[in-house]
Amino acid sequence: KNEVEQSPQNLTAQEGEFITINCSYSVGISALHWLQQHPGGGIVSLFMLSSGKKKHGRLIATINIQEKHSSLHITASHPRDSAVYICAVTLGSNYQLIWGAGTKLIIKP
Amino acid sequence: DVKVTQSSRYLVKRTGEKVFLECVQDMDHENMFWYRQDPGLGLRLIYFSYDVKMKEKGDIPEGYSVSREKKERFSLILESASTNQTSMYLCASRSTGNYGYTFGSGTRLTVV
Repeated sequence: KNEVEQSPQNLTAQEGEFITINCSYSVGISALHWLQQHPGGGIVSLFMLSSGKKKHGRLIATINIQEKHSSLHITASHPRDSAVYICAVTLGSNYQLIWGAGTKLIIKP
Repeated sequence: DVKVTQSSRYLVKRTGEKVFLECVQDMDHENMFWYRQDPGLGLRLIYFSYDVKMKEKGDIPEGYSVSREKKERFSLILESASTNQTSMYLCASRSTGNYGYTFGSGTRLTVV
């Protein structure tokens, strides 16, 4: 069983829809990261969370430490949001990221 | 704006060549990482460094070496490139006191 599970693997939606991507993990973590990768591009860090909720523009990330679950929401989705969204966790003082498999999001105009 | 810069966006090398991939960060971060990304396999850690001249093997170090002579620069070396090293290579850095990562834009290496 993977330590970081994302769902769905693929998601296609119409412009304007509210998007939710989920991430569950099975280990104790020090932080959870949401990252974005556009086709052929580098990776951009969107959020780093250890508790609660963060918001940046149309993006919202939440985490429930007790349930070991995080969600990434996109409000008023736009075709430029089309990308792969990756959840990853860090464990204590360990420097390594443990990666989810990613969610490929396509927003159609 | 803080940055991690990878020297090449695209690179084509011949089998057997020695290949250097360079990564420079301007954030005074202690920790630097090299990943490769392949379809269906996600990102895998090759090597990381937590200080100048210090290095640790990641999950797939075979066929690679690294060099960190200065804090801002972390080099990945393919001693004798092989076709199975064709991949996207991503560099990242992170401060010890802050768990946030900053990634470079990646180098797509093709070995022919």
